[in-house]
Amino acid sequence: DADVTQTPRNRITKTGKRIMLECSQTKGHDRMYWYRQDPGLGLRLIYYSFDVKDINKGEISDGYSVSRQAQAKFSLSLESAIPNQTALYFCATSLGTPQETQYFGPGTRLLVL
Amino acid sequence: QKEVEQNSGPLSVPEGAIASLNCTYSDRVSQSFFWYRQYSGKSPELIMSIYSNGDKEDGRFTAQLNKASQYVSLLIRDSQPSDSATYLCAVNVYNNNDMRFGAGTRLTVKP
Repeated sequence: DADVTQTPRNRITKTGKRIMLECSQTKGHDRMYWYRQDPGLGLRLIYYSFDVKDINKGEISDGYSVSRQAQAKFSLSLESAIPNQTALYFCATSLGTPQETQYFGPGTRLLVL
Repeated sequence: QKEVEQNSGPLSVPEGAIASLNCTYSDRVSQSFFWYRQYSGKSPELIMSIYSNGDKEDGRFTAQLNKASQYVSLLIRDSQPSDSATYLCAVNVYNNNDMRFGAGTRLTVKP
């Protein structure tokens, strides 16, 4: 079984809809992250969480919110989806050592019409 | 100036050649450096990490770090068609809260 899973893997929604992307991990890592990837822009951090009670904004948090329901679960919500949120979304985890190697889920491809 | 810069490519090399991928970063206090490989439509996977100046070798891969020049590179020896992917450079500052990624370099290894 995959260590980091994301659901759904693909999603099509309409402008103005609220949607939630979910991430679960079995690696036992405390730190979890949400990124989006756009062609030519690489990975950009949306939100990160170092434990259940610690949530922090990343580089591009506007229009997004998150919930850390448990150590193993970290959800990303788009409150009112807009077309420029069409992207590939990745969840990642890390152990929290200074070296900070991150392990990525398979990604969720989101299309906002 | 972007925090982490990479040549977007595409970089094309023949099978068996050495592929050289480069990355520069702007934050002088950066401490940890990573190379990820990403196949089309897939998630990034870690290839190498490097924390000290010099070279670090792992099989066909060698990472090189020069903190004075704020430069990190990845060499792939005996390149194979299966190495064709986008390579992402990532930089983390010690005790900082996030990792910054470059936009990636697309590598094509031709048989």
